Amino acid sequence: EADIYQTPRYLVIGTGKKITLECSQTMGHDKMYWYQQDPGMELHLIHYSYGVNSTEKGDLSSESTVSRIRTEHFPLTLESARPSHTSQYLCASSSRGTSGGAPDTQYFGPGTRLTVL
Amino acid sequence: KNQVEQSPQSLIILEGKNCTLQCNYTVSPFSNLRWYKQDTGRGPVSLTIMTFSENTKSNGRYTATLDADTKQSSLHITASQLSDSASYICVVTDRGSTLGRLYFGRGTQLTVWP
Repeated sequence: EADIYQTPRYLVIGTGKKITLECSQTMGHDKMYWYQQDPGMELHLIHYSYGVNSTEKGDLSSESTVSRIRTEHFPLTLESARPSHTSQYLCASSSRGTSGGAPDTQYFGPGTRLTVL
Repeated sequence: KNQVEQSPQSLIILEGKNCTLQCNYTVSPFSNLRWYKQDTGRGPVSLTIMTFSENTKSNGRYTATLDADTKQSSLHITASQLSDSASYICVVTDRGSTLGRLYFGRGTQLTVWP
C-alpha cells in the first residue's frame, strides 16, 4: 500500500465556493501529479510538479491551481467551483530513486470525489 | 497522435474462470507499459510494468505480455476471484519528453460473478 493520502474522500459543495483538495505523501518522492477522471473514462493529467516550487499544467486544461511549498504536500485549489468541475480527482507521486519501484512508477492516492451542485 | 485503446470495454466472467484483456497503443517513442488495477472509488494500483525488451511479466495470477513490434499488450488473469472485480487500466509511457508522459487507456471493467 502506497503512503499517499488525499482528503477529503468525498466533497459536495455549492457553486461558487472555494475548495482545496489535499494530497500528501510520505515517500519522499520528488514528482507529484493531479489527474481528473470521469466515470468510465481515462485519467487526464491536469497538473504536475518536479519538486518544491515547481508546478506545470498538464494535458487537460483546468481552472484549478496547485502549489508545492513542501516536498510531501501538493494541494489543488478551485477558486470558484462549478458543476462542470464535478469529477474524481486523483493525486499521484513517483520517484526514480533506488529504494524500489520501477522507473516512474506512479503511486496513486485513493482519490477525492467532488460534486458541485 | 499517441493513444491507448483497450478492449473489451467491459467483461463479466464466473469465479474461477480465466480471462484476457487487450491493449493496443500508438505511443511513440515507447518507454514502458504498465497495467493498473483500479477498484471502485479507489486510486489505481500498479500490477506489472514492462519495458521494450520484456515480453512477459507475472504478478501472482496476473500475467502481462507485450509485443512491441505490433504495439499490443494483454493481461491474462488466471482462476479469477471475486476480488478481481475492478477496472484494469493500460498505461503507456513515452520517452520523448522530460516528464515521461503517461497515456492512459479507458480501462476494461471486469466483473467476477460467484
